[in-house]
Amino acid sequence: NAGVTQTPKFRVLKTGQSMTLLCAQDMNHEYMYWYRQDPGMGLRLIHYSVGEGTTAKGEVPDGYNVSRLKKQNFLLGLESAAPSQTSVYFCASVGSGPINYGYTFGSGTRLTVV
Amino acid sequence: AQKVTQAQTEISVVEKEDVTLDCVYETRDTTYYLFWYKQPPSGELVFLIRRNSFDEQNEISGRYSWNFQKSTSSFNFTITASQVVDSAVYFCALEDSSYKLIFGSGTRLLVRP
Repeated sequence: NAGVTQTPKFRVLKTGQSMTLLCAQDMNHEYMYWYRQDPGMGLRLIHYSVGEGTTAKGEVPDGYNVSRLKKQNFLLGLESAAPSQTSVYFCASVGSGPINYGYTFGSGTRLTVV
Repeated sequence: AQKVTQAQTEISVVEKEDVTLDCVYETRDTTYYLFWYKQPPSGELVFLIRRNSFDEQNEISGRYSWNFQKSTSSFNFTITASQVVDSAVYFCALEDSSYKLIFGSGTRLLVRP
């Protein structure tokens, strides 16, 4: 099915461990985003990419790194996980051009750092 | 600064009541887009509507309607004859000029039978 796929869906990390979240889209979208959702705070933008090979910081980038080596994939890395990074992470993508009906979101990754 | 405010943290209504969810935004851009998303208990984000800043016509889709007023920087969402299945968190969002979505903090709607 076309859309945005996030892996894994759930993960528990120990403080200091590292991990990579993968986002893949098959809609040939130029723009991709990583958000985190915390209770009462809505979704906050971590990093985003406006095209293959490009990345930029969002509102809350500290502690995260990203890469967009291929147009369809956007990776979010945590080098040294902290309990404050316990959250639900959403990836999203959108295409440019005259037809743009909305951002497509993945189903989310629930990350717990203990 | 670009900002979206959803002042209602939680709303509780009885089934069949009408309910309006408020959204106020701030932006310097002259062209922008506004969105509403629904997040049911299952957690996914469901796209509801996208509105261009140049189009101030109200939109109706079944029991859902949206009132966009540029003069008050508001984009309110009304559910008519609410149903239990409408229980969810609803997010208003603003797309800025660099294709970034800025979300409000969300309004949790509980529809009681």
